[in-house]
Amino acid sequence: GDSVTQMEGPVTLSEEAFLTINCTYTATGYPSLFWYVQYPGEGLQLLLKATKADDKGSNKGFEATYRKETTSFHLEKGSVQVSDSAVYFCALTKYGNNRLAFGKGNQVVVIP
Amino acid sequence: GAVVSQHPSRVICKSGTSVKIECRSLDFQATTMFWYRQFPKKSLMLMATSNEGSKATYEQGVEKDKFLINHASLTLSTLTVTSAHPEDSSFYICSASPTGANVLTFGAGSRLTVL
Repeated sequence: GDSVTQMEGPVTLSEEAFLTINCTYTATGYPSLFWYVQYPGEGLQLLLKATKADDKGSNKGFEATYRKETTSFHLEKGSVQVSDSAVYFCALTKYGNNRLAFGKGNQVVVIP
Repeated sequence: GAVVSQHPSRVICKSGTSVKIECRSLDFQATTMFWYRQFPKKSLMLMATSNEGSKATYEQGVEKDKFLINHASLTLSTLTVTSAHPEDSSFYICSASPTGANVLTFGAGSRLTVL
């Protein structure tokens, strides 16, 4: 079935460092891809999305490009802030029906 | 913006009892809501799709009689964990989107602890 794989383990980095979180997917057809963020004590929020190959989603300084050739949707930010500390989830859906398949999530901790 | 509220945010119960979790869309109507379960250090697992006015659609491997879902109105879906056991302890999250839209809003989740 359709699935999403995120890199293992939490990510700890210093403020203003470059952030990359890897995400690869397995799916038939042409899924839409998403990154969601979960801040402490809050619900998941859509961070960015891409609906077709080579699309780039961007928001709040974060970017991810839909790479069909490598089945990837890696999340990047050039200079993180302490306020970016959260759990980040990669997800996909097909058929536009909002049935999301999530990766395991990555805890990101940004230290001053 | 669209807001989804879950209640309670935390609940502790004794083994064998039933627990009801509510998911409300506060400022929009939702024909469909989704229930997820989140295990520690694991991804969110879709449990079921809640359909207003009809039966929920459960994912493979999810016990229908264990996790009862009712979607009685366009703004409320409930998840009842029946005869709860410690292995049911988890974080349950619901999501919804305005009817016809394709952007999901998530609730903050409900932490269930079964003693």
